[in-house]
Parts: sequence; structure tokens; C-alpha cells
Amino acid sequence: GENVEQHPSTLSVQEGDSAVIKCTYSDSASNYFPWYKQELGKGPQLIIDIRSNVGEKKDQRIAVTLNKTAKHFSLHITETQPEDSAVYFCGSEKLVFGKGTKLTVNP
Amino acid sequence: EAGVAQSPRYKIIEKRQSVAFWCNPISGHATLYWYQQILGQGPKLLIQFQNNGVVDDSQLPKDRFSAERLKGVDSTLKIQPAKLEDSAVYLCASSLSGRARTEAFFGQGTRLTVV
Repeated sequence: GENVEQHPSTLSVQEGDSAVIKCTYSDSASNYFPWYKQELGKGPQLIIDIRSNVGEKKDQRIAVTLNKTAKHFSLHITETQPEDSAVYFCGSEKLVFGKGTKLTVNP
Repeated sequence: EAGVAQSPRYKIIEKRQSVAFWCNPISGHATLYWYQQILGQGPKLLIQFQNNGVVDDSQLPKDRFSAERLKGVDSTLKIQPAKLEDSAVYLCASSLSGRARTEAFFGQGTRLTVV
């Protein structure tokens, strides 16, 4: 079946630093790549997504880059804040998710 | 706009008992998903409905799990009999359409503990 690999599994940064989370996928037919944020006790919430006709998409402090040839995409968070602390999941077009990255932003 | 509603929020049962979870998707959303999220892992897709038809149930353990979406709106997921390894959060999500990928909205989930 389809596989989505995500790393790192945990990431700790200082407030104001940048954070990068990377994912690779196996389904070369996939054309849609969402990123979800899950806070404790809540369901995942979409924060940004990208379609294969663009290589990068930005929304304020978050951005996603896509390399279809290499089948990987990354989430970039700049100027991190304590409220960015959560678990982040990447997904594929069929909403197969990676195992998640627990991001901790230290004040 | 009301979100995806799930109930109950928590459930504790003994192994070999049965349990059912309920999901009410966002009004007008044709696609409904059930996920299993084991602690510390990503959500694992169990079943996807498009209206009241099953699109993908390849990872649903059909010997013990069943799901239905009568009338293409509400859905129930049942486990019978439950095993210890079924302890997880069961998430329901819905989206406008499963074909042209659009945002999936998740409920808060049902936390199941099997003892």
C-alpha cells in the first residue's frame, strides 16, 4: 500500500527559530499534499496544502515546498512561537498520513 | 459553521465487548472518513465513504470492525469483539468531495480504552 515517511519524529527549537519537517511519499500519482496540526485532545486541523502544479506555497510564517521528482515535500515554520507547539502530520492525496512530528517551541 | 460531531468522547470497555462510535459530518460533505490513531502514531485510514458508498476499506479489520453510512449523512463504526490493541482514538473526518482534493475536517475523536 501507499507509504508516507516523515521525519524527525520530535523537534525542539527555541522561540524565534525556524523549524523544518520533511516527508517522502511513495505514490507517484499523488498530486495533493496537506499538512495538519494536532493539538492535545483535538482532531488534526489543516494548516497548509500544496498541489503538484506549484513548487512552493507560503502563508504568513508557514511554507511548504514540493519536489515531485524526488517525491518529497517539506513544511517550514519561521519565527516559531510557543503556540506552534503541537504534533504535525504530512499527508498524501489519499489522506495517508505520516507518523507525525512533535514540535516543541521553548520560550 | 458546525464542525464534525463525534460521540462519545471517551469509552472504556472490557475485551471481547462491543462498542459503537457515532459521527455527524459537516452538512453537505459527501466524503466521510474513519481513522484509528494509536498513541504516538499518525492517523490510519480505516474506511472512506463517498455519500453512502464505500470507496476504500482496505485497512478495515473486517472480522471485527464494521461501518455504515445510512442515507449518506451520519455514520457509525462498530467493533465486535474488542481487543486490547484496539485501544486508540477513533477520528471521523469529512470533506466536500473525495475526488478533487479539498480540506478534510476532523472531529475531536473518541478515545477508546479496552481493558
